[in-house]
Amino acid sequence: EVQLVESGGGLVQPGRSLRLSCAASGFTFDDYAMHWVRQAPGKGLEWVSGISWNSGSIGYADSVKGRFTISRDNAKNSLYLQMNSLRAEDTALYYCAKGGHNWNDVEWWFDPWGQGTLVTVSS
Amino acid sequence: QSVLTQPPSASGTPGQRVTISCSGSSSNIGSNYVYWYQQLPGTAPKLLIYRNNQRPSGVPDRFSGSKSGTSASLAISGLRSEDEADYYCAAWDDSLSGSWVFGGGTKLTVL
Repeated sequence: EVQLVESGGGLVQPGRSLRLSCAASGFTFDDYAMHWVRQAPGKGLEWVSGISWNSGSIGYADSVKGRFTISRDNAKNSLYLQMNSLRAEDTALYYCAKGGHNWNDVEWWFDPWGQGTLVTVSS
Repeated sequence: QSVLTQPPSASGTPGQRVTISCSGSSSNIGSNYVYWYQQLPGTAPKLLIYRNNQRPSGVPDRFSGSKSGTSASLAISGLRSEDEADYYCAAWDDSLSGSWVFGGGTKLTVL
């Protein structure tokens, strides 16, 4: 069974940093791109970042570019999101999701999704 | 403000057919596939439709997707109480360096 489990969320002050992790199992992790998608409380989905199977290509939403860094460790079947200079508007449930081979594979989709980890940015 | 536009709400009675629209532009829906996700209350999103009109295994054929020009639609026939959920459309957007974009979501209520 394909499974994605996020961790690392919590309460953090504005301007501080946080690192999210996503542990993958049940599929050949290094064959697939991975993504982070977030959902602010009571709001819709927003794609945050994606990374290709070999980390060779990476993309970010404009809202996080320059502040967030996505990475992966294929030996550990893990995906990460380093979030710096956090803002109140970054408060959200962060999901990791499996993608295609590359993060910008337009013929692929997000499936499955993890259960999410909550990040709250507040003083 | 979401790049893809969906009605915030939709409703229907059991057994009815309901349609949810998703409007975009030439840089997203007009030139790329549309995907639909279902989010049941308190759960993570789940893939419902891929590549405009394809259903993953396990998704009932009551769910169908279509696309025309810069718009797409999700239809649910034989509405059931367990279909009450939020539905999101998504697509790749070719603008600038490219990104994935979502609709704002449609909350479906089964009356």
